[in-house]
Amino acid sequence: AQSVTQPDIHITVSEGASLELRCNYSYGATPYLFWYVQSPGQGLQLLLKYFSGDTLVQGIKGFEAEFKRSQSSFNLRKPSVHWSDAAEYFCAEPTYSGAGSYQLTFGKGTKLSVIP
Amino acid sequence: KAGVTQTPRYLIKTRGQQVTLSCSPISGHRSVSWYQQTPGQGLQFLFEYFSETQRNKGNFPGRFSGRQFSNSRSEMNVSTLELGDSALYLCASSVGTGQGYGYTFGSGTRLTVV
Repeated sequence: AQSVTQPDIHITVSEGASLELRCNYSYGATPYLFWYVQSPGQGLQLLLKYFSGDTLVQGIKGFEAEFKRSQSSFNLRKPSVHWSDAAEYFCAEPTYSGAGSYQLTFGKGTKLSVIP
Repeated sequence: KAGVTQTPRYLIKTRGQQVTLSCSPISGHRSVSWYQQTPGQGLQFLFEYFSETQRNKGNFPGRFSGRQFSNSRSEMNVSTLELGDSALYLCASSVGTGQGYGYTFGSGTRLTVV
């Protein structure tokens, strides 16, 4: 079965420090990949997406992600974290479910805490 | 441009009751998907509708159903509620159906079953 793995359940960083959230995917030689962020009690907001082409993808709020096929990884990075980045982050991949339909398969999420 | 609108935001229901949740997609989006989010199971796919047809359904019992109207608005219904149905229900809309389309999520409906 297709799966998306986020190895870190919870990460704590100091404000101003750099951040890297890990994601490994298992489906597709040329996958489509997404990173979403969820603030408490809210829905999911798309940070960035990878479809093809450049392996370094820029997103909103200063986030970027690098696609590495050899490692089946799509890690999310930010050079300097702000307190407002505290949230839960989800990596996701569309997986085929038949009849031309796809569904998003999500990782379990990484909760980010930011120390002032 | 209005985003994905889900109503109501919060619901409290009693075991055995039924509930209907509503989702209005972004204008021009024809695909609507529903996901259930719980602390234990994470985000799980419920179903997808495209042009009023259910394209796909996740591994949920028949108590979970949905439909899509000609204006692309969608509803999901849960009958005979169980305590385990307490969750955040998220709706996502997309221009089309396929892996290349982005998905925009609503703020969700928080359902509590007591």
